[in-house]
Amino acid sequence: NAGVTQTPKFQVLKTGQSMTLQCAQDMNHEYMSWYRQDPGMGLRLIHYSVGAGITDQGEVPNGYNVSRSTTEDFPLRLLSAAPSQTSVYFCASSYSLAGGYEQYFGPGTRLTVT
Amino acid sequence: SQQGEEDPQALSIQEGENATMNCSYKTSINNLQWYRQNSGRGLVHLILIRSNEREKHSGRLRVTLDTSKKSSSLLITASRAADTASYFCAPRYSGGGADGLTFGKGTHLIIQP
Repeated sequence: NAGVTQTPKFQVLKTGQSMTLQCAQDMNHEYMSWYRQDPGMGLRLIHYSVGAGITDQGEVPNGYNVSRSTTEDFPLRLLSAAPSQTSVYFCASSYSLAGGYEQYFGPGTRLTVT
Repeated sequence: SQQGEEDPQALSIQEGENATMNCSYKTSINNLQWYRQNSGRGLVHLILIRSNEREKHSGRLRVTLDTSKKSSSLLITASRAADTASYFCAPRYSGGGADGLTFGKGTHLIIQP
């Protein structure tokens, strides 16, 4: 199993550009989520999904869109990039949140917005 | 959701010593998880302790949970240079709904050779 994969590893955008961060998992996990990690801020939840066709907002959803058309994929779209979105983005998946299952994290995408 | 709070924020010890870090949280939990993050990498799950457990071991790791004090501790025994990383706790609150785990700022552990 590849686990959770993310592409690209690094990305530089100009203010106002849009892009999609890709996330895929091959563990048949129902639950997937996106976090951003800023220096000194810990991880903050952006969006999550409890299954194909179901998404919801986390703590910091503004400026981001998600969709979940398949169990495997959970892309994160930046609609109009801003310097405040410079961060490291992590995708995670889990069998379920109920009952306390561990989350598997991808390697991250380091995004810089100039 | 409310995040756990790790303490201390930074810890530097000599190789071979034990490292202890703590986590405090706010309300009743179903379980609490600990994760490790090596520099520039994703988080890796270390151990999960359920609310009805008081202590759990995994290799050189020992986790305790005191629900009366709403706190947990992670002990790493006989530390190694490879243990240098940030450590995060993630409480899963009772009735926490379908959202994600929340993470604090972590404890940054440095093992000096």
